[in-house]
Amino acid sequence: LAKTTQPISMDSYEGQEVNITCSHNNIATNDYITWYQQFPSQGPRFIIQGYKTKVTNEVASLFIPADRKSSTLSLPRVSLSDTAVYYCLVAALGAAGNKLTFGGGTRVLVKP
Amino acid sequence: DTGVSQDPRHKITKRGQNVTFRCDPISEHNRLYWYRQTLGQGPEFLTYFQNEAQLEKSRLLSDRFSAERPKGSFSTLEIQRTEQGDSAMYLCASSLDLGTGEPGLAGRPYNEQFFGPGTRLTVL
Repeated sequence: LAKTTQPISMDSYEGQEVNITCSHNNIATNDYITWYQQFPSQGPRFIIQGYKTKVTNEVASLFIPADRKSSTLSLPRVSLSDTAVYYCLVAALGAAGNKLTFGGGTRVLVKP
Repeated sequence: DTGVSQDPRHKITKRGQNVTFRCDPISEHNRLYWYRQTLGQGPEFLTYFQNEAQLEKSRLLSDRFSAERPKGSFSTLEIQRTEQGDSAMYLCASSLDLGTGEPGLAGRPYNEQFFGPGTRLTVL
């Protein structure tokens, strides 16, 4: 199981771009990279998923270099409501049960 | 609301009492997961069901814990003889497994799990 390492916390200001980098040096060929967001007193929520290169949706972008040993979640123009914990997960395609393995996450605080 | 729901949202109990939580997944989802989350930590996997079959249990799930999904729809998680160390947020999630193992089917993310709001348990 690929272990992930991400910063414990990050501060930002409204309107700025926030980039969170996650290291997953032992990522396997069959592994996908997924990011979840969790607000206080709520369950996590899927944000974005990718295998390689760049993925973009209405919420975020995910950049994955060719060696796939890291990935960067980019949140454009954050607002106060983006204050949350962001989890980087690596999971194998077709793994039994597909249970999610969360690390400690990155606590992002957006200031006015 | 067609999301995952959990009941109760909060439960305070005394050590030694039994508690039961309920999870109602998204109706067409065949997989249901239970996770536990303590303060400042990410969620930890406890167990999961494929329809009504419980297919995996974590080592975290001691003999005092039991989970059921009798008709392949809602699920219950029971903790017997609660201990203070059981105090945590218990999260339920559901997903649709199409059995193909292929990502991006019909444009959907692979193994996207939808979480409920959780049940916060406090054991005094």
